[in-house]
Amino acid sequence: EAQVTQNPRYLITVTGKKLTVTCSQNMNHEYMSWYRQDPGLGLRQIYYSMNVEVTDKGDVPEGYKVSRKEKRNFPLILESPSPNQTSLYFCASSLGRPWWGGELFFGEGSRLTVL
Amino acid sequence: GIQVEQSPPDLILQEGANSTLRCNFSDSVNNLQWFHQNPWGQLINLFYIPSGTKQNGRLSATTVATERYSLLYISSSQTTDSGVYFCAVNGYSTLTFGKGTMLLVSP
Repeated sequence: EAQVTQNPRYLITVTGKKLTVTCSQNMNHEYMSWYRQDPGLGLRQIYYSMNVEVTDKGDVPEGYKVSRKEKRNFPLILESPSPNQTSLYFCASSLGRPWWGGELFFGEGSRLTVL
Repeated sequence: GIQVEQSPPDLILQEGANSTLRCNFSDSVNNLQWFHQNPWGQLINLFYIPSGTKQNGRLSATTVATERYSLLYISSSQTTDSGVYFCAVNGYSTLTFGKGTMLLVSP
């Protein structure tokens, strides 16, 4: 089954404790991206990647890191999480670039709480 | 950047009713998608529809690209249709999302 898989789905952590949210897609998509969703602010892009070893900042990259060492994986790293990073996170992928018409597929979301 | 406006912002229906959700956008697009976010937060692809009309069961969508709008039709609504419906169009590095229409279908 074609899908985007995120883990963990739910996580409660404490300020400063490094964490990684994994994202994997099995559709051989070139484009991958991370979003956070907050009440009243909608979906905002954190980082995106157009291919292996090619990543770029989205609208809200501060406090996050990403890497794209393999085509299928695009982990989101919070080196020192803070309470303002409490949010619902989504990973997404598409075969072609969304702004050129590539259909975007989302993972199920990861709900992160930083105390 | 491109602007996306959805209407209505909120909608309450009785089960079995029909509804139409609208998405207006400010520029030409080559990507338009409709998503449903269910009460558990999952974002589900409904339609990829930069132009034309598509149908999937009780749901259908039409995009009139030349007039810069898209419509999502829900017929014979069910309680499981509740949630937020987002329209998204191509932006600079990703899709630009509208603020959504929150739909509540009551039994």
